[in-house]
Amino acid sequence: GAGVSQTPSNKVTEKGKYVELRCDPISGHTALYWYRQSLGQGPEFLIYFQGTGAADDSGLPNDRFFAVRPEGSVSTLKIQRTERGDSAVYLCASSLTGGFAYEQYFGPGTRLTVT
Amino acid sequence: SQQGEEDPQALSIQEGENATMNCSYKTSINNLQWYRQNSGRGLVHLILIRSNEREKHSGRLRVTLDTSKKSSSLLITASRAADTASYFCATETDSWGKFQFGAGTQVVVTP
Repeated sequence: GAGVSQTPSNKVTEKGKYVELRCDPISGHTALYWYRQSLGQGPEFLIYFQGTGAADDSGLPNDRFFAVRPEGSVSTLKIQRTERGDSAVYLCASSLTGGFAYEQYFGPGTRLTVT
Repeated sequence: SQQGEEDPQALSIQEGENATMNCSYKTSINNLQWYRQNSGRGLVHLILIRSNEREKHSGRLRVTLDTSKKSSSLLITASRAADTASYFCATETDSWGKFQFGAGTQVVVTP
């Protein structure tokens, strides 16, 4: 079956611009996670959705970052006024339901480069 | 800041040898998972061990957990070139759904 998909796979934008990154989770998975991974580091937690609601958004670095999941399926991570420090691979994962008892399935990521 | 720290940062072995890597964490956990990441397949879940478990096996993988020392180890037996990847531990602490990854161990297996 289809795994987690993310679009675009690569995004190059200029400093100060707005970007949207999309995640399409595995069908039927109620939990969805966003992470950010910098070179040589492990994924850094950003936000976790259970259904349509953000159950934990404590990892979002500042108010330039926002994420939505209006229908409990596809999610969009939105970054306003991008900065060069936002450059990273943004990973999305989904699991059958929330909580650690279920493994997360990761998408291939979106590589964001802010010039 | 990251909860877990893997050790060593890098490991180079030959095919057939065993590879052992460790993960130490700072606060008490609900559970711990190990993941593998390579350029071809992205992050893939390997094994989950709950806080009340001490050891789990999956194929050539063996994971141990010592909650008193706040550490876990991943052993890959009879390694293969295809095991070349970065390995990460991920912990869930008191907040369900919030996972924290370490910086990873980069493993290179040479034929």
